[in-house]
Amino acid sequence: KQEVTQIPAALSVPEGENLVLNCSFTDSAIYNLQWFRQDPGKGLTSLLLIQSSQREQTSGRLNASLDKSSGRSTLYIAASQPGDSATYLCAVEQGAQKLVFGQGTRLTINP
Amino acid sequence: DVKVTQSSRYLVKRTGEKVFLECVQDMDHENMFWYRQDPGLGLRLIYFSYDVKMKEKGDIPEGYSVSREKKERFSLILESASTNQTSMYLCASSSRENPPKGQFFGPGTRLTVL
Repeated sequence: KQEVTQIPAALSVPEGENLVLNCSFTDSAIYNLQWFRQDPGKGLTSLLLIQSSQREQTSGRLNASLDKSSGRSTLYIAASQPGDSATYLCAVEQGAQKLVFGQGTRLTINP
Repeated sequence: DVKVTQSSRYLVKRTGEKVFLECVQDMDHENMFWYRQDPGLGLRLIYFSYDVKMKEKGDIPEGYSVSREKKERFSLILESASTNQTSMYLCASSSRENPPKGQFFGPGTRLTVL
């Protein structure tokens, strides 16, 4: 059974720092990996999707990488801002379009 | 932009009531999903649907049913609400296009069962 782990569970950094969020999964037979952000009490906002054949995707200050063979993905956030404070979730798709989610990393950017 | 809307942001119901949660998407997506999110347990898939009138059980279907009479609408039904169904309910949709664009989520419904 696929398990997705995100470490750390919480992270607090000063504004302006570059940071990396980690996601690992136990079964490398995935189709896609998707990163989301969730603000308190709200739904999920899709940030990036990496197909299994890709190594990375970029959107603005965000860069996501995927190493399928080692079961790892990272989300790199450049020049962090207080508005980046949120919970970040990664999810892997193993087929049938179903996602398996990690527990998330709660990120706080301090002004 | 894909828009997924849910009928209520907050809902309070009594034990034993029948509860309907509605989800509508406006991008002609084939696939729709219902999740619940609980602290410490993360997001768990309740039911999903690949097409009109089709439904598949997810990981935790007990106590729930679904209805998909139209492509854009996916309803989650709690036949007899119980306190352990107090949770945040999230609806999502996705297409079968290639390259894939992933799942898009609604704003969520926080349901409290008293």
